[in-house]
Amino acid sequence: AQKITQTQPGMFVQEKEAVTLDCTYDTSDPSYGLFWYKQPSSGEMIFLIYQGSYDQQNATEGRYSLNFQKARKSANLVISASQLGDSAMYFCAMTYGQNFVFGPGTRLSVLP
Amino acid sequence: ETGVTQTPRHLVMGMTNKKSLKCEQHLGHNAMYWYKQSAKKPLELMFVYNFKEQTENNSVPSRFSPECPNSSHLFLHLHTLQPEDSALYLCASSQSRTGVTDTQYFGPGTRLTVL
Repeated sequence: AQKITQTQPGMFVQEKEAVTLDCTYDTSDPSYGLFWYKQPSSGEMIFLIYQGSYDQQNATEGRYSLNFQKARKSANLVISASQLGDSAMYFCAMTYGQNFVFGPGTRLSVLP
Repeated sequence: ETGVTQTPRHLVMGMTNKKSLKCEQHLGHNAMYWYKQSAKKPLELMFVYNFKEQTENNSVPSRFSPECPNSSHLFLHLHTLQPEDSALYLCASSQSRTGVTDTQYFGPGTRLTVL
């Protein structure tokens, strides 16, 4: 079955430091998309960044970048210069065909 | 209003009540989704509508009844719920239910408590 694994249930990072959140995926489809979402305690799921399976370059959006290693089937999210407002749950997700699956999430806590 | 809105944000209901959750998207999208997010469980896709037609129902109990009158509005009608139905209900929309670039945008959710 196609799935997403996020092995870090919780992570801590010092304010202004960079942090990497891990995501590995499993699919036999050659065409797929990878997403990261942020969910603060308020509940809203906020879209952060997208990477297509055929994209040659790693995606970047402001302080967010996606470290895409296709052969290893990993799509790690890198947040640079962490801010207190980055404290939230982070979900990795994947589309393949008509399907959209989420990982279990990683709770990130940014320390002052 | 921009993006995806949901009302109410919080709802407390008894097991015999009937209530409805409302979702509206202002993004010009054609697909809309209901998700359930329970504590310590992965996000569960409940229903999918594409161009107002229901395309997926992931074995959701009949006490949850979706309605999609047009591409901008989605409702979830609730009746005779159980305490285990207490959860955050998230609505999302996307351009259409095709293609791996189809990004889903979410509303703020309705936090439902069933007493």
